[in-house]
Amino acid sequence: NAGVTQTPKFQVLKTGQSMTLQCAQDMNHEYMSWYRQDPGMGLRLIHYSVGAGITDQGEVPNGYNVSRSTTEDFPLRLLSAAPSQTSVYFCASSYRGGSPDTQYFGPGTRLTVL
Amino acid sequence: ILNVEQSPQSLHVQEGDSTNFTCSFPSSNFYALHWYRWETAKSPEALFVMTLNGDEKKKGRISATLNTKEGYSYLYIKGSQPEDSATYLCAFWGSSGSARQLTFGSGTQLTVLP
Repeated sequence: NAGVTQTPKFQVLKTGQSMTLQCAQDMNHEYMSWYRQDPGMGLRLIHYSVGAGITDQGEVPNGYNVSRSTTEDFPLRLLSAAPSQTSVYFCASSYRGGSPDTQYFGPGTRLTVL
Repeated sequence: ILNVEQSPQSLHVQEGDSTNFTCSFPSSNFYALHWYRWETAKSPEALFVMTLNGDEKKKGRISATLNTKEGYSYLYIKGSQPEDSATYLCAFWGSSGSARQLTFGSGTQLTVLP
């Protein structure tokens, strides 16, 4: 198993550009989520999904969209990048959507918005 | 927004010392408390998932306790080694309105000096 994979590893955008961060898992996990990590603030939940076709907002959803058309994939879309979205983004997954199972994290995507 | 606090923010100990840190979380709507170990330039890795009041978990020299009634968990490291240097995150799995989310603390950064 590859576990949780994320692409790209690094990205530089200009203000106003859009892009999609990719996340995939091959563990047949129901629950997938996106976090951003900023200095001194730990990990903050952006969006999550408890299964294909179901998504919900986390703590900091503004400026981001998600969809979950398959169990495996959970892309995060930045609609119009802003410097405040400069951060490290982690995707995570866990086995069951409604249970507090261990989260498995991807390697992260470091995004810089100029 | 659920409040999860960790203390201290950072800690330096000598090799061989034992140490502990605290995670405070809401005492209502509790489902689980997670501990993760996060090394620099890597992804967070799960240490423990604790669900019951009074739970004690152990993995090698690292152990954790849980008090859901008063809303705190302790992580203990016995005989710290330089390879224990990392950020230790706790995360509270609870409900915010109708949603169940994993809310992370900002972490305790441990440095073990040889």
